[in-house]
Amino acid sequence: AQTVTQSQPEMSVQEAETVTLSCTYDTSESDYYLFWYKQPPSRQMILVIRQEAYKQQNATENRFSVNFQKAAKSFSLKISDSQLGDAAMYFCASDNYGQNFVFGPGTRLSVLP
Amino acid sequence: DAGVTQSPTHLIKTRGQQVTLRCSPKSGHDTVSWYQQALGQGPQFIFQYYEEEERQRGNFPDRFSGHQFPNYSSELNVNALLLGDSALYLCASSITPDTGELFFGEGSRLTVL
Repeated sequence: AQTVTQSQPEMSVQEAETVTLSCTYDTSESDYYLFWYKQPPSRQMILVIRQEAYKQQNATENRFSVNFQKAAKSFSLKISDSQLGDAAMYFCASDNYGQNFVFGPGTRLSVLP
Repeated sequence: DAGVTQSPTHLIKTRGQQVTLRCSPKSGHDTVSWYQQALGQGPQFIFQYYEEEERQRGNFPDRFSGHQFPNYSSELNVNALLLGDSALYLCASSITPDTGELFFGEGSRLTVL
């Protein structure tokens, strides 16, 4: 069974600074997707970034980038130039092509003005 | 382009009652998944519907059942409610079962007294 672990229940960052959220996962599959989702207090989960395991290049989306280490089964999220609107719960998730979408327990990110 | 919509947004039930939650997927999506998110935790997969059939199921008892209609909308039914069923119930849709990217609704907050 797939598992996703986020070892940082809470993180904080100063506005305009950079923060990295950690995620490790366990899967027996060779091909899969990895995701970071954001859940603000409004509750709606929003996709931040997606990585396909067969791609070695790390995904980037504007201020968001990942460090994907397939051998180590690590998938960290880096947020650059943090903004107040980045404050939210962040969930790491893995998916075996729709067979088993698994979320981690989440990291609560606070952004300090 | 309407996103995923869920109803009701909030509801309160008592133990032993039954509840039905509804979800309309994003336009163009034919697959609907349901998740239970307890307070402070990551979403837990309940089941996925595709072509009006339950395609896969998580570790939830038979009290949790669902349905998908020809227009791809879906219902989640929970019978014999327990206090532990209190949670945010999230509906997510995807273009196909295998795309690996979920679009979420805002959820239905169920409180069982």
